[in-house]
Amino acid sequence: AQSVAQPEDQVNVAEGNPLTVKCTYSVSGNPYLFWYVQYPNRGLQFLLKYITGDNLVKGSYGFEAEFNKSQTSFHLKKPSALVSDSALYFCAVRDPDMRFGAGTRLTVKP
Amino acid sequence: DAMVIQNPRYQVTQFGKPVTLSCSQTLNHNVMYWYQQKSSQAPKLLFHYYDKDFNNEADTPDNFQSRRPNTSFCFLDIRSPGLGDAAMYLCATSRATGEAFFGQGTRLTVV
Repeated sequence: AQSVAQPEDQVNVAEGNPLTVKCTYSVSGNPYLFWYVQYPNRGLQFLLKYITGDNLVKGSYGFEAEFNKSQTSFHLKKPSALVSDSALYFCAVRDPDMRFGAGTRLTVKP
Repeated sequence: DAMVIQNPRYQVTQFGKPVTLSCSQTLNHNVMYWYQQKSSQAPKLLFHYYDKDFNNEADTPDNFQSRRPNTSFCFLDIRSPGLGDAAMYLCATSRATGEAFFGQGTRLTVV
């Protein structure tokens, strides 16, 4: 079965610094990969997706992700973190159902 | 705005008393999902519908059932809630491919 893994439970960065939230995938065939963000007591919000095309995908709120086939990775990045980016981030794969990684809590400190 | 709406946002039910959570969508998506999420863990897929075709995950407890009377509505029924069923329940919709759109969730408390 297709799956994604998020190796870090927690990521801490200072405001203004670049951030990376890691995701690796295990997929046979062409992967459909997604990133979602969740704020407390809310549903998940879609950030970006990779289906085909350019390996660098740009999404909402200044986030981007790079699809790397050789490393089977789809890391989420942002050049300059904001305190308001602090949230729970989930990587997901469409299998064809949407299945999620364990999540990474991002904390951005002022 | 087109969206996914879950009612209620917060639900308190008694141990063993049946409860129904509802979800509606204005996106006209053919796929609908129910997820259970506990304590900031990954959402766990309970059921999904492709149009009227119903699929439940192998490890979804028999205590959970779902109905989709039409494209717009989907219900999650918990026949006899236990303390372990306290969680956030998330409804989502999508087309056959592409991203899922989530409702705000229903937080279920079992007392």
